[in-house]
Amino acid sequence: EDQVTQSPEALRLQEGESSSLNCSYTVSGLRGLFWYRQDPGKGPEFLFTLYSAGEEKEKERLKATLTKKESFLHITAPKPEDSATYLCAVQALTNDYKLSFGAGTTVTVRA
Amino acid sequence: DTEVTQTPKHLVMGMTNKKSLKCEQHMGHRAMYWYKQKAKKPPELMFVYSYEKLSINESVPSRFSPECPNSSLLNLHLHALQPEDSALYLCASSRPRGGGGQETQYFGPGTRLLVL
Repeated sequence: EDQVTQSPEALRLQEGESSSLNCSYTVSGLRGLFWYRQDPGKGPEFLFTLYSAGEEKEKERLKATLTKKESFLHITAPKPEDSATYLCAVQALTNDYKLSFGAGTTVTVRA
Repeated sequence: DTEVTQTPKHLVMGMTNKKSLKCEQHMGHRAMYWYKQKAKKPPELMFVYSYEKLSINESVPSRFSPECPNSSLLNLHLHALQPEDSALYLCASSRPRGGGGQETQYFGPGTRLLVL
């Protein structure tokens, strides 16, 4: 069974204090790994898709990286508006549609 | 454009009511999904439609009835719900990826459902 573990559960940062979120996964062949951001009471907002180890993607203050066992979401010089829950999900090669989600990391950035 | 719309935004219903949730996308995606999300938990897959046919039903109780009238629309009909069905209901869509599987799923804003 596919498993996704995100750490830490919660992260409190001072504005400008860079940090990283971890997503460890066990999957029977990775088709894709997805990062989403979710604000309270709203739907997940797509951030990145990574398909193969070594791949990196960047958007504003966020950078996602992928290895064969885990993915990192790096937040550089965060701002209060980066406060949200960040969800990681994987899709296995044996699965055309299902995503296995981690429990998420809730990030709070204080001004 | 990567927009998935959902109506209504909020819904309060009694256990004997019948209501429907609606989802729409105009990205040409041919896979559409319903998820249920409880507070502080990740989304849980309920149903998947692919090319307007039900592909996956994750053993969802029959009081939830999905419908896909066309490639852009997805409905979720609700009947005789229980208070524990109160949650955020999310719709998502995706397009096929060359080589198999689906590309990124894009989510709508959700419908906040409260069952009294």
